[in-house]
Amino acid sequence: DTEVTQTPKHLVMGMTNKKSLKCEQHMGHRAMYWYKQKAKKPPELMFVYSYEKLSINESVPSRFSPECPNSSLLNLHLHALQPEDSALYLCASSQLGQGVRQPQHFGDGTRLSIL
Amino acid sequence: SQQGEEDPQALSIQEGENATMNCSYKTSINNLQWYRQNSGRGLVHLILIRSNEREKHSGRLRVTLDTSKKSSSLLITASRAADTASYFCATAGTHGSGNTGKLIFGQGTTLQVKP
Repeated sequence: DTEVTQTPKHLVMGMTNKKSLKCEQHMGHRAMYWYKQKAKKPPELMFVYSYEKLSINESVPSRFSPECPNSSLLNLHLHALQPEDSALYLCASSQLGQGVRQPQHFGDGTRLSIL
Repeated sequence: SQQGEEDPQALSIQEGENATMNCSYKTSINNLQWYRQNSGRGLVHLILIRSNEREKHSGRLRVTLDTSKKSSSLLITASRAADTASYFCATAGTHGSGNTGKLIFGQGTTLQVKP
């Protein structure tokens, strides 16, 4: 069992739908991340939140909208997605260390399919 | 952009044999991390080696780091069928937004351990 919980595990949506992915951690981590992973590829960073504030946006299209309501929760709101957005979406969290980049703890992801 | 290159891309060995995976990177790093990903699951952190360390051990894992060659290797000794997974190296740079480490992942090595 992972300590980062993502829901739903699977999501199928049409290009006109609006849906949200959710991520929760109770490890007291103050950094949270969204990654996109295509089959047989490494994860690609999308967003980083530090102390509930967006600190990194890797030029992600506006149809992806992240939200960090509190230190334990991270959402990714989806709207008007394209078929190429079908992928595994991974959430991760980490401590905020001084000088040393800390290991990240990943959830098992949401498998997203866009029809 | 992905800065890590891993080789081999795929590795197939018999149970009990050792597996070695290599990772090369391009820029200065704060640390280098190795992760494992089982099929359909999230990534699991295996080991972190800091830029001032040369070798680190954790159970059956041994990681080396050569900053002059910008390369690292992961050795899994006495492999088991349960070690079958994809393995990614990830580098944490010396720059970036405070301490929210942006990890850049290598392309990964797919390891198959045959019983």
